Amino acid sequence: IAGITQAPTSQILAAGRRMTLRCTQDMRHNAMYWYRQDLGLGLRLIHYSNTAGTTGKGEVPDGYSVSRANSDYFPLTLASAVPSQTSVYFCASSPGQAFKETQYFGPGTRLLVL
Amino acid sequence: GESVGLHLPTLSVQEGDNSIINCAYSNSASDYFIWYKQESGKGPQFIIDIRSNMDKRQGQRVTVLLNKTVKHLSLQIAATQPGDSAVYFCAEMSASSASKIIFGSGTRLSIRP
Repeated sequence: IAGITQAPTSQILAAGRRMTLRCTQDMRHNAMYWYRQDLGLGLRLIHYSNTAGTTGKGEVPDGYSVSRANSDYFPLTLASAVPSQTSVYFCASSPGQAFKETQYFGPGTRLLVL
Repeated sequence: GESVGLHLPTLSVQEGDNSIINCAYSNSASDYFIWYKQESGKGPQFIIDIRSNMDKRQGQRVTVLLNKTVKHLSLQIAATQPGDSAVYFCAEMSASSASKIIFGSGTRLSIRP
């Protein structure tokens, strides 16, 4: 069991380009989340999904979109990247209903937008 | 407003000593708390959790204490080892909040040989 996998591990992206960060979990968890982590700010929630077919906005959703077509895959898309989206992005999942149980994190994607 | 914070941004501990990392929270409705460990270049790793109906919970070499009166959470690591070097942060959730989890910014634990 791999847990949560994220791809790519890191990426340098030109401003204005479109980018999709991939996240897959094999734990059969219902809820999935996307966070960004910036120095000194801690983890901030971008979007989440309670179950396949549903998504919700987090604390910092602007500039990002997500989809949850199936239970295992939860991609995060930056439609037109801006330098302020330079960050480390973490995908997470939890077994039951969102925000009620422990969240388990992937290894992260380091994104630099120039 | 709501906040989950850590009293000390860095903590240096002698190898073999016990470490205590503190966390303050302000939302009295929070009823579930988690401690995470994050090593350099890696994702946060679950350490231990505690619900508000408990004051103390123990794991392997770790203990979490919850003081609801002063809204304080602590993580105690016994016999600190070099592998314990990491950033530790707490998180809080509330059953009354449908879509919210608050993370602290973290405390860096460094181990002196």
